[in-house]
Amino acid sequence: QLVLTQSPSASASLGASVKLTCTLSSAHSRYAIAWHQQKPDKGPQFLIKINEDGSHRRGDGIPDRFSGSSSGAERYLTISSLQAEDEADYYCQTWGTLIRGFGGGTKVTVL
Amino acid sequence: QLQLQESGPGVVKPSETLSLTCTVSGGSINRVNQCWDWIRQPPGKGLEWIGTLCYSESPFYNPSLKSRVTISVDTSKNQLSLNLNSATATDTAVYYCGKDDYGNPIEHWGQGTQVTVSS
Repeated sequence: QLVLTQSPSASASLGASVKLTCTLSSAHSRYAIAWHQQKPDKGPQFLIKINEDGSHRRGDGIPDRFSGSSSGAERYLTISSLQAEDEADYYCQTWGTLIRGFGGGTKVTVL
Repeated sequence: QLQLQESGPGVVKPSETLSLTCTVSGGSINRVNQCWDWIRQPPGKGLEWIGTLCYSESPFYNPSLKSRVTISVDTSKNQLSLNLNSATATDTAVYYCGKDDYGNPIEHWGQGTQVTVSS
């Protein structure tokens, strides 16, 4: 069964960095993932795709403050130079043959 | 620029069928290697994948909803449709459509439409 696990919350100070983790179930540990940002009362927005080897591709217009990396079954989103507008929910998503799935989401608070 | 817009009744009665449409503009819904998705988000909760339809393939669904869901495409209208039968209060959610290219994540999202199941 495809499972993506995220911590419910994370926080960091304005201007600092925060690193979010998405852990894939063992049978799917080589899957690529994507991170999506959802601000309050808005629809999600694609941020970045991260491959098993850590290579990544940002969506159109997404600043390079958002970066991705990978280690084993874990995929990471690092937000650098944290800004007030980055306060949002972040969801990881993966896909495969006849399957899609989302993590439970991480709420990021900017202190 | 590709745009997706969901539409449908804001309120559905319990046991009835929830029917939504996603209208695609700025591109054709009928292109090789394209997939179209339905996702929902209950109040205060996370995103739940409902199902996907890829070009020239049969749709596939979340196993937890498979018995009640049908996704289809009307290429003449450039629209994606969702039917969820036997609706209950637990189907109350914001429903989103999305697009991904084969082998890639959802990169285009609609703005979402609220559906409440209530008598």
